[in-house]
Amino acid sequence: EPEVTQTPSHQVTQMGQEVILRCVPISNHLYFYWYRQILGQKVEFLVSFYNNEISEKSEIFDDQFSVERPDGSNFTLKIRSTKLEDSAMYFCASRTEALSAGTGELFFGEGSRLTVL
Amino acid sequence: GDSVTQMEGPVTLSEEAFLTINCTYTATGYPSLFWYVQYPGEGLQLLLKATKADDKGSNKGFEATYRKETTSFHLEKGSVQVSDSAVYFCASHGSGNTGKLIFGQGTTLQVKP
Repeated sequence: EPEVTQTPSHQVTQMGQEVILRCVPISNHLYFYWYRQILGQKVEFLVSFYNNEISEKSEIFDDQFSVERPDGSNFTLKIRSTKLEDSAMYFCASRTEALSAGTGELFFGEGSRLTVL
Repeated sequence: GDSVTQMEGPVTLSEEAFLTINCTYTATGYPSLFWYVQYPGEGLQLLLKATKADDKGSNKGFEATYRKETTSFHLEKGSVQVSDSAVYFCASHGSGNTGKLIFGQGTTLQVKP
């Protein structure tokens, strides 16, 4: 069964360092997302991406964050200068159908845990 | 704005007990509604969904009915098992056409043998 894969599963970094989290969405999917879950808290939307551009971003997704799809298969989240409060589990998700055509469920990866020291 | 509210956890039940986890939403229109489950150390998996009012989603013995009158989508299971221990998230589509989901805060279920 096709799945969303994320790497690394866990990354430890020093405050101020750049981090890139990688995702390989399901191959025929068209819409891509990043979510964040701080330990014990709710799953929060960060950004959605369609047709090679950001379609929506939350207020969490400030100038320190960026996303790109560099090669048609990977979908990356970059945090330019990490802060302690960026420590969280980051989930990538993807979806196929156009909103009007389907149920719109998202398929999630297993997450990348980021620990900022 | 759009939001999803779930009952506070943790919920602790004995095996074979009846489960209800309440979920209500606020939204413009009638968004699709979802329950996702997160087992320890794993990602989010879709448990069930409903795309319009009065639809009932079901999977693995879990059920939830889309009630537009009460803007609710409560999750139920008649007889829980130890293997159902997990965190359960209610979610709805957000406004706009990006397909993002808005999640509730999650409810931890612990089932004891």
